[in-house]
Amino acid sequence: QKEVEQNSGPLSVPEGAIASLNCTYSDRVSQSFFWYRQYSGKSPELIMSIYSNGDKEDGRFTAQLNKASQYVSLLIRDSQPSDSATYLCAVNGRYNFNKFYFGSGTKLNVKP
Amino acid sequence: DVKVTQSSRYLVKRTGEKVFLECVQDMDHENMFWYRQDPGLGLRLIYFSYDVKMKEKGDIPEGYSVSREKKERFSLILESASTNQTSMYLCASSLDRDEQYFGPGTRLTVT
Repeated sequence: QKEVEQNSGPLSVPEGAIASLNCTYSDRVSQSFFWYRQYSGKSPELIMSIYSNGDKEDGRFTAQLNKASQYVSLLIRDSQPSDSATYLCAVNGRYNFNKFYFGSGTKLNVKP
Repeated sequence: DVKVTQSSRYLVKRTGEKVFLECVQDMDHENMFWYRQDPGLGLRLIYFSYDVKMKEKGDIPEGYSVSREKKERFSLILESASTNQTSMYLCASSLDRDEQYFGPGTRLTVT
């Protein structure tokens, strides 16, 4: 079982819609959770971090964390074509909290 | 603004060559990481370092070594490059338990 699982997609949504990206993780003691966006040929850039159960909002982005279900999600409201990218979920490790496990990413296509 | 730089964006080397990939960060971060990214396999950790002269193996250290002589610089070394090491190499840095910031990446081709 992988430490972090994501649906590879592609997830296609029309412009203006809400895109919902999901991630599950295997280690119950993980404490830090991150979403990165990666455009083709570029390096990952941080979008959101979340550490507590519940929702965290930043502009059009909302991260949701449910530690009991070992589930973290990212909602993108009013999706734009510029949001088309691969979204990576990252979770810190059990034995070294500085070490992250990354999911393989979900490819999002926002159609004009 | 955190800045992580890598010595080359593109590199072409021959099988058997010794290859050095350099990474420098300017934010006084303790932790530095080297990943490789391949289609369908995601980001895989090669080595990381949590202090000067300290290093720890990641998930795929075979065929690689690292060096961290100064806090801001973390080098990845391919002792004898092989074709299966053709990949995108990404360096990252972080503060304690905090988010990682990535460099622009080096696309290495070994022929």
